[in-house]
Amino acid sequence: DVKVTQSSRYLVKRTGEKVFLECVQDMDHENMFWYRQDPGLGLRLIYFSYDVKMKEKGDIPEGYSVSREKKERFSLILESASTNQTSMYLCASSEQGGFPTDTQYFGPGTRLTVL
Amino acid sequence: AQKVTQAQTEISVVEKEDVTLDCVYETRDTTYYLFWYKQPPSGELVFLIRRNSFDEQNEISGRYSWNFQKSTSSFNFTITASQVVDSAVYFCALAQNTGNQFYFGTGTSLTVIP
Repeated sequence: DVKVTQSSRYLVKRTGEKVFLECVQDMDHENMFWYRQDPGLGLRLIYFSYDVKMKEKGDIPEGYSVSREKKERFSLILESASTNQTSMYLCASSEQGGFPTDTQYFGPGTRLTVL
Repeated sequence: AQKVTQAQTEISVVEKEDVTLDCVYETRDTTYYLFWYKQPPSGELVFLIRRNSFDEQNEISGRYSWNFQKSTSSFNFTITASQVVDSAVYFCALAQNTGNQFYFGTGTSLTVIP
């Protein structure tokens, strides 16, 4: 079974703090993704990566950056957290690099609250 | 433009009733894939099914079935004899090579009342 883990289930941060969300997958998948989920808006893609050190912007990259130094790990960084970044963050991975149609497998999510 | 529409925001059914969740998609690609995911209260999205655009056969897996109709651009999901454990948010998604990403619907929240 594919296992995608996220470093925290719940996180509370203050406005202006730098926030790191970590995601690790154990299936040697090429692609990794970060989404945020908000009520009524579904899942929106922030960034994705199809290879180590490669990244692509999704629909809502503003205010976020990412890092992929190792194949199994994909980090989402909020450089200066703001209250409108309070959300559920979901990480996902899929098998083949550059193939967006592969099944994505999701982690448990991190519910981030920015005060 | 919304590529995947799940018009039903919330549905409530009584246990053992059948329920159908609607999904309508929009694409110009000839090759594409459709997915359903389940998100229980715990939060993790669970993969249910992936279908490609060339396979219009209906799929049945236990109490779950999927009806794919290209003529109406729909990929509907039916749960037969619903159970309380089916209570979750269900997402339909479209993947195509153009745009290089998944497009998720806004989800349908299903509540099964005992």
